[in-house]
Amino acid sequence: GAGVSQSPSNKVTEKGKDVELRCDPISGHTALYWYRQRLGQGLEFLIYFQGNSAPDKSGLPSDRFSAERTGESVSTLTIQRTQQEDSAVYLCASSWGHQNTEAFFGQGTRLTVV
Amino acid sequence: GQQLNQSPQSMFIQEGEDVSMNCTSSSIFNTWLWYKQDPGEGPVLLIALYKAGELTSNGRLTAQFGITRKDSFLNISASIPSDVGIYFCAGPNYGGSQGNLIFGKGTKLSVKP
Repeated sequence: GAGVSQSPSNKVTEKGKDVELRCDPISGHTALYWYRQRLGQGLEFLIYFQGNSAPDKSGLPSDRFSAERTGESVSTLTIQRTQQEDSAVYLCASSWGHQNTEAFFGQGTRLTVV
Repeated sequence: GQQLNQSPQSMFIQEGEDVSMNCTSSSIFNTWLWYKQDPGEGPVLLIALYKAGELTSNGRLTAQFGITRKDSFLNISASIPSDVGIYFCAGPNYGGSQGNLIFGKGTKLSVKP
């Protein structure tokens, strides 16, 4: 597609369940980011993938959070044993990478843990 | 770690007024990016700046890359209600944490008709 696509757009889950969020980056973009945004707050960095390099996981808040990316394509963010404080919008962005840092965002997945 | 300081945090203005916000860094940047986030949407790239002193416009928006390379400004002229949203600045962070792109905390703009 022409832009970054995220699915689902909304997810309501029960506390303790696992969730998987998906991001389809712009074709050809080697860099992919995940951010978390709580209501009325800024962008909280979670993880960064660049090509075949080891991902920068420095922003993951706990070991319940993990993300994978196969090559330069789809990425999935997994949250295990969800807690109410995980409720937020999860945003994915991609860019050409390396020296080009213009990142383009998806619409986000709004996660609500009840 | 490296941070971008964005100000003001929020603004409440009357429709038709001009708006100015800025972003500063403790280190030199070679790129400045400005994004706008509408409520319920992902951020959208408005303007990208690549050269110190550069002044770039996008409609009623004008952004400048500071001469010191440590700051950038975004101006909106004759604001309208659809300018409401959060404006983020961003810059590259090569070799640092948070991937290679860092964001300011945003300026929330409210426009009163």
